[in-house]
Amino acid sequence: TQLLEQSPQFLSIQEGENLTVYCNSSSVFSSLQWYRQEPGEGPVLLVTVVTGGEVKKLKRLTFQFGDARKDSSLHITAAQPGDTGLYLCAGPLTAGGTSYGKLTFGQGTILTVHP
Amino acid sequence: KAGVTQTPRYLIKTRGQQVTLSCSPISGHRSVSWYQQTPGQGLQFLFEYFSETQRNKGNFPGRFSGRQFSNSRSEMNVSTLELGDSALYLCASSHYITGGGTDTQYFGPGTRLTVL
Repeated sequence: TQLLEQSPQFLSIQEGENLTVYCNSSSVFSSLQWYRQEPGEGPVLLVTVVTGGEVKKLKRLTFQFGDARKDSSLHITAAQPGDTGLYLCAGPLTAGGTSYGKLTFGQGTILTVHP
Repeated sequence: KAGVTQTPRYLIKTRGQQVTLSCSPISGHRSVSWYQQTPGQGLQFLFEYFSETQRNKGNFPGRFSGRQFSNSRSEMNVSTLELGDSALYLCASSHYITGGGTDTQYFGPGTRLTVL
C-alpha cells in the first residue's frame, strides 16, 4: 500500500497547456515537499508546504496543501518543455512515532511537455 | 553555500563485492539520510544519521550499513552485492529533523551503482 498516492503517473502535454498533479494520503502529514528530478540526477526541492490550506506560488507553479494536511496539488500554468521531468511529493510520516530523517515518497509523475 | 555532494557518481561492481559510497552534507547540516531509488520501487528510505548516531532505519537487509563522522560526512556500505542492488543511491541533508519534522531535505546528485 502506497502511503502517498500520486496521480497521474504519466502526463504528456503540449507546450502552453495547464496541468495539475495530485498527491493524496489517508494519513496526516506535518508538511509536504515537492521535488522535481531529471534523469540521473537527485531530486531538486521546489517547495515545502506546512500549514493546512496553504497556497504557495513559484512563478508558473502553484502548490496547495489540503486543509486536513492529507493531500496536496501542484498546478503548472502554460507548461514549457523545460518543465519536463519527474515530479515527486514527499512527507515525514509521524503518526504513532518519530520519522527522523525519513521521507515517504509518492510514486512520482512523469511529465513530458512537447514543443 | 555548496550543495550536497556524493562520490563517486558512477560505480560498476560484480556480484559478491562490496561498495562504499560517500556523502558530504550542506555545511551546517547535521542530519544525513540515505535512499535507494529504483524504477520499480521508487525512493525507499535506508537510514538516517544525526551527530554520528543512527536514529532511524528502513526495511533493508543488514548488508546495507552506514556511518557518520564528526564533520557530518556520511558513508554507506553495501556488502555481498546482489544484482537487485543496482540503483541510484541518494543522500539528503537537513539542518535538523525532529520527530514531527518540517525540516526540508536537500538531495545530492546520487551515485549510480550497477551490479553485474
